[in-house]
Amino acid sequence: GAGVSQSPSNKVTEKGKDVELRCDPISGHTALYWYRQSLGQGLEFLIYFQGNSAPDKSGLPSDRFSAERTGGSVSTLTIQRTQQEDSAVYLCASSLRDSRGQGARRAEAFFGQGTRLTVV
Amino acid sequence: RKEVEQDPGPFNVPEGATVAFNCTYSNSASQSFFWYRQDCRKEPKLLMSVYSSGNEDGRFTAQLNRASQYISLLIRDSKLSDSATYLCVVIAGNTPLVFGKGTRLSVIA
Repeated sequence: GAGVSQSPSNKVTEKGKDVELRCDPISGHTALYWYRQSLGQGLEFLIYFQGNSAPDKSGLPSDRFSAERTGGSVSTLTIQRTQQEDSAVYLCASSLRDSRGQGARRAEAFFGQGTRLTVV
Repeated sequence: RKEVEQDPGPFNVPEGATVAFNCTYSNSASQSFFWYRQDCRKEPKLLMSVYSSGNEDGRFTAQLNRASQYISLLIRDSKLSDSATYLCVVIAGNTPLVFGKGTRLSVIA
């Protein structure tokens, strides 16, 4: 498809297990973002990949969270030893934006439908 | 001061009304600005970019005021389908997208 694709759409896991969430950005998009959103709350930034630059990991809440982006395309967000407070919708977005920060149009970001994670 | 601030609302308006939201940002180096809408339990969807000269898309008008560091969104002739949360988004340099917490709009028949 032409949009950002995330999988799985829903994930229920037991406390203490590891989970992997996947994001397929729009083809050709160099920037990729992960956010999470708890029920009724705003978007919380997690991590930002920009081309070949080192990712901005400043939003990752703990060392249980990690993410990688292989080949400048698909990204995987991994949460180790999940806790109940990790329950949220995890959203991925991508854009054409490059490190030179050219123009608003290139910076327009498009979101996937999210992965709803429930830790029981 | 939060990086991006919005009045959370809710704004309850009748169909056909005109409603305006403001959003203030703290980083004077901000260079790109957007409005997104988010429906309940859905992902944010880009509504419009905000250009320096202001821009209009149908019933929606966005304005940028760099001197006072705010952007605005005006919705004319509100429809029931406009009911959503409207998110202000700002980018400075090579930083991630910074989201406001959103303004909730309910358009009432």
